Amino acid sequence: SQTIHQWPATLVQPVGSPLSLECTVEGTSNPNLYWYRQAAGRGLQLLFYSVGIGQISSEVPQNLSASRPQDRQFILSSKKLLLSDSGFYLCAWSAYTGIRAGTEAFFGQGTRLTVV
Amino acid sequence: AQSVTQLDSHVSVSEGTPVLLRCNYSSSYSPSLFWYVQHPNKGLQLLLKYTSAATLVKGINGFEAEFKKSETSFHLTKPSAHMSDAAEYFCVVSSFGGYSTLTFGKGTMLLVSP
Repeated sequence: SQTIHQWPATLVQPVGSPLSLECTVEGTSNPNLYWYRQAAGRGLQLLFYSVGIGQISSEVPQNLSASRPQDRQFILSSKKLLLSDSGFYLCAWSAYTGIRAGTEAFFGQGTRLTVV
Repeated sequence: AQSVTQLDSHVSVSEGTPVLLRCNYSSSYSPSLFWYVQHPNKGLQLLLKYTSAATLVKGINGFEAEFKKSETSFHLTKPSAHMSDAAEYFCVVSSFGGYSTLTFGKGTMLLVSP
């Protein structure tokens, strides 16, 4: 069966420090991968998605970047964190669907990031 | 373009009474629709999904949802609430195309009192 791992679970970082959140998926190949951010009362905001190694699409221009160095690894990074980067970050994967209608995504347990 | 509107930010019920969480969607294509549940500081768990098969979809933990194209709705129901159902629920629509990006509603917090 497929599993998704995301770490760390919680993180407290000072303003201006770098960030690296990692996500890995097991039990599937060539997944679509996603980073979402969740702010209180605002639902989930798609930050980045990837359909293959080295292929990253950004939905929202901001202080963050993403990379996909391996098929089942997705990394969220920042060179200098801002206070506004605080939030709950979720990694997710879905099966590649070709031209068919979208399929569901499966989520990791999330990372609570607090920038102080 | 696609969007999702969850009509209630909070819903309060008593244990043992029915649950209704309302969702309306907008989509340029025949949509795939999902309900997810999130407990505090946890990831999202898929409750159920609609992908153009039966319009009444049954999910986990006794939840079900009915796709009504004429009303562009996908409301989530459960006959009898349990304390463990207290959580935030998200209605989600999926795009049609080469990748699956999900558009989330803002969520409905379900509060269950004894």
